[in-house]
Amino acid sequence: QKEVEQDPGPLSVPEGAIVSLNCTYSNSAFQYFMWYRQYSRKGPELLMYTYSSGNKEDGRFTAQVDKSSKYISLFIRDSQPSDSATYLCAMSAPGNTPLVFGKGTRLSVIA
Amino acid sequence: DSGVTQTPKHLITATGQRVTLRCSPRSGDLSVYWYQQSLDQGLQFLIHYYNGEERAKGNILERFSAQQFPDLHSELNLSSLELGDSALYFCASSSSVSGNTIYFGEGSWLTVV
Repeated sequence: QKEVEQDPGPLSVPEGAIVSLNCTYSNSAFQYFMWYRQYSRKGPELLMYTYSSGNKEDGRFTAQVDKSSKYISLFIRDSQPSDSATYLCAMSAPGNTPLVFGKGTRLSVIA
Repeated sequence: DSGVTQTPKHLITATGQRVTLRCSPRSGDLSVYWYQQSLDQGLQFLIHYYNGEERAKGNILERFSAQQFPDLHSELNLSSLELGDSALYFCASSSSVSGNTIYFGEGSWLTVV
């Protein structure tokens, strides 16, 4: 079992839709959870950062962490064509441990 | 713009050759990370340096090596290149040693022919 599982998609939605992106993980030591957005052949861009469990909202984006289920989500409201990108979840344990990334979900928002 | 600078952006080289990728971290960041991204493997952690010292090693091949210099820039050396080494190589930096939030450069696209 991989440490972090993420459905690669592709996911195609109409403009204005609510998008739900998810990752599951197996390492119960993970405490820090991030979402990155990556446009084609560009560097990943940090989108959301959450420590431990709970929700975090930033504009149209909401990140949720459910540590009991080892499941994290990113919701995008009122999706726009400019949201079309690959979304990568990432997580790490406390201390000097590197981020572990999911393989990414490719999202297309159709105008 | 993340503030992390990588050069070169693209390079094409032949099998068996050696290349050096360079990274300048964000101003003030002491941690530098190297990642490899290929279509089938996703983002794979290679190595982490903090203030000149190696702090963690991931799936880095013996043919690959890295270092971080006193001015905090870092270089990733790839030698005896094989076709399978073709990938995007990313550098990322962080202000702390734990690196819970890291910021990526635009990557160096390596093609081995």
